[in-house]
Amino acid sequence: EAGVAQSPRYKIIEKRQSVAFWCNPISGHATLYWYQQILGQGPKLLIQFQNNGVVDDSQLPKDRFSAERLKGVDSTLKIQPAKLEDSAVYLCASSYQNTAGIGGWTEAFFGQGTRLTVV
Amino acid sequence: GENVEQHPSTLSVQEGDSAVIKCTYSDSASNYFPWYKQELGKRPQLIIDIRSNVGEKKDQRIAVTLNKTAKHFSLHITETQPEDSAVYFCAARNTGNQFYFGTGTSLTVIP
Repeated sequence: EAGVAQSPRYKIIEKRQSVAFWCNPISGHATLYWYQQILGQGPKLLIQFQNNGVVDDSQLPKDRFSAERLKGVDSTLKIQPAKLEDSAVYLCASSYQNTAGIGGWTEAFFGQGTRLTVV
Repeated sequence: GENVEQHPSTLSVQEGDSAVIKCTYSDSASNYFPWYKQELGKRPQLIIDIRSNVGEKKDQRIAVTLNKTAKHFSLHITETQPEDSAVYFCAARNTGNQFYFGTGTSLTVIP
């Protein structure tokens, strides 16, 4: 099956500029996640969607970050305005529910990520 | 929310030796624990996972153990090979289906 698609792969912007990232999850995956991975650290959850609804955005800096998944498929993550500390890889992941195991949900499948450099 | 701690942050082993990475979690309701391998510049990829109703799982040279009472789980790699060199992340999934990751272990296998 096709994997999680993200674009662009790389982006360099100046501080205070805006940037947007796009994600297309694996077909049929109802849950979509955006993670921020700063160099040398583990992925940090920013926001979780279930279909087109937000399940958890408690760690999303809402003064500058926004995300949407209008039709329950593709998603965009926006930063406006960007700060130097936003330099990181932004990973999109998706998962789906099956009937196996406790909870019934699969692992998270990750995209290649977008490497953002803010200068 | 869930807090996952991972140790060590770096690990070097001789080829053929074993490697062990340990993680602890805080939310006793977490029910699924995947391990991901991330090579430089690539996406994290699942290598093994364990659910909360199982104490141990093995897949060839890789095994994972889970102690629910102590809230810790470990990754064991035996007969390490140079291609095992990568960053490994543990994660815990809570009942809200959110995944929380450890800080990663950079494993180097010395030929």
